[in-house]
Amino acid sequence: GEDVEQSLFLSVREGDSSVINCTYTDSSSTYLYWYKQEPGAGLQLLTYIFSNMDMKQDQRLTVLLNKKDKHLSLRIADTQTGDSAIYFCAETRRYSSASKIIFGSGTRLSIRP
Amino acid sequence: KAGVTQTPRYLIKTRGQQVTLSCSPISGHRSVSWYQQTPGQGLQFLFEYFSETQRNKGNFPGRFSGRQFSNSRSEMNVSTLELGDSALYLCASKEPNTEAFFGQGTRLTVV
Repeated sequence: GEDVEQSLFLSVREGDSSVINCTYTDSSSTYLYWYKQEPGAGLQLLTYIFSNMDMKQDQRLTVLLNKKDKHLSLRIADTQTGDSAIYFCAETRRYSSASKIIFGSGTRLSIRP
Repeated sequence: KAGVTQTPRYLIKTRGQQVTLSCSPISGHRSVSWYQQTPGQGLQFLFEYFSETQRNKGNFPGRFSGRQFSNSRSEMNVSTLELGDSALYLCASKEPNTEAFFGQGTRLTVV
């Protein structure tokens, strides 16, 4: 299909790991992104991964990329209440010299005490 | 280095009016893209500008237009506003083959 797909909700206990999954569509996507959006705010670039990488780690964040299955995941270790937000998976789709970002519908992460 | 700046942050307009939103990209970035975010449709691509030229356009009516100036600042304009145009409008700034950074957005309410 044309869409970037991700589950709508995830609830985790504070201190546990959160894993948000995403499937994308364009095998030629060069950048795959994770953005975080808090209520009333814009999109904060959390992390990204190049399509020629399998994994990227940045402090509590780990991104895994499976190109064969077009599957992307974001793992947040030691999840804190400040991690409550909507997380968007996105791919860069290229058209000749132009590009656009295609977003998933967002996963709302809620933290249980 | 300053981030992407969008002005104004909030706007309330009446149906039939027109509106202009502004985006100042990160210094040195030449590409500016605009996105519309609504609860029903999610994040939708509007258009991309690079060095004052529109390179790509999403599936929006002609009431939505934009432009980019020589300093890379961009404006988007929506004419003859409809209730359904109420949304968060986000601007992204990047250079070719680099990651995209977004501003805080302009929340437009049409009444």
